[in-house]
Amino acid sequence: DTEVTQTPKHLVMGMTNKKSLKCEQHMGHRAMYWYKQKAKKPPELMFVYSYEKLSINESVPSRFSPECPNSSLLNLHLHALQPEDSALYLCASSQERQGSQGRQETQYFGPGTRLLVL
Amino acid sequence: DAKTTQPNSMESNEEEPVHLPCNHSTISGTDYIHWYRQLPSQGPEYVIHGLTSNVNNRMASLAIAEDRKSSTLILHRATLRDAAVYYCILIERWGGSEKLVFGKGTKLTVNP
Repeated sequence: DTEVTQTPKHLVMGMTNKKSLKCEQHMGHRAMYWYKQKAKKPPELMFVYSYEKLSINESVPSRFSPECPNSSLLNLHLHALQPEDSALYLCASSQERQGSQGRQETQYFGPGTRLLVL
Repeated sequence: DAKTTQPNSMESNEEEPVHLPCNHSTISGTDYIHWYRQLPSQGPEYVIHGLTSNVNNRMASLAIAEDRKSSTLILHRATLRDAAVYYCILIERWGGSEKLVFGKGTKLTVNP
């Protein structure tokens, strides 16, 4: 099973709402990621969790709050978002292993949550 | 910032080979070259990666220049399903974690 699942698929929220995005993987991967992707732009890294601890925060505004309750789950809590935060939010997971080309850490992405902030 | 440069777009015909170039002139000796692609309305997916020598897998081949300052992703027979944005990425390690820093990528159009 190489699947990363994300819920919900679509989300519409007002600027005063609080909502959460959920990501789940059952591949035993030790690292999980949140990316943000605006239309016709490449994904941009937001957060990295390694062994359930936050290891990278790419200077993301505090209205985005990540949480890793266990090794299979990653949440992104949203509060007081702005319309410019409307985007596709992608989750990914990875595990380092040795391959034929040396050390390899392939990231597996979910299908994303499409967020619209009104 | 992304450390790779790619053409914005390329076009191919179905069942013909496609060569997608990537320049990474500032690559260091330990940087791996990774390729991911993103099909419409999907998350990115891993295609292939390499360090120094050429690589083949079931999806594609990766040809790496001898000086490692450029590489080429080769799709041997393009299908309509290969229409996607292809990203060439140098992996950055930061505090024990790896970062994928996506550049703008190459949008591949496959004509029937």
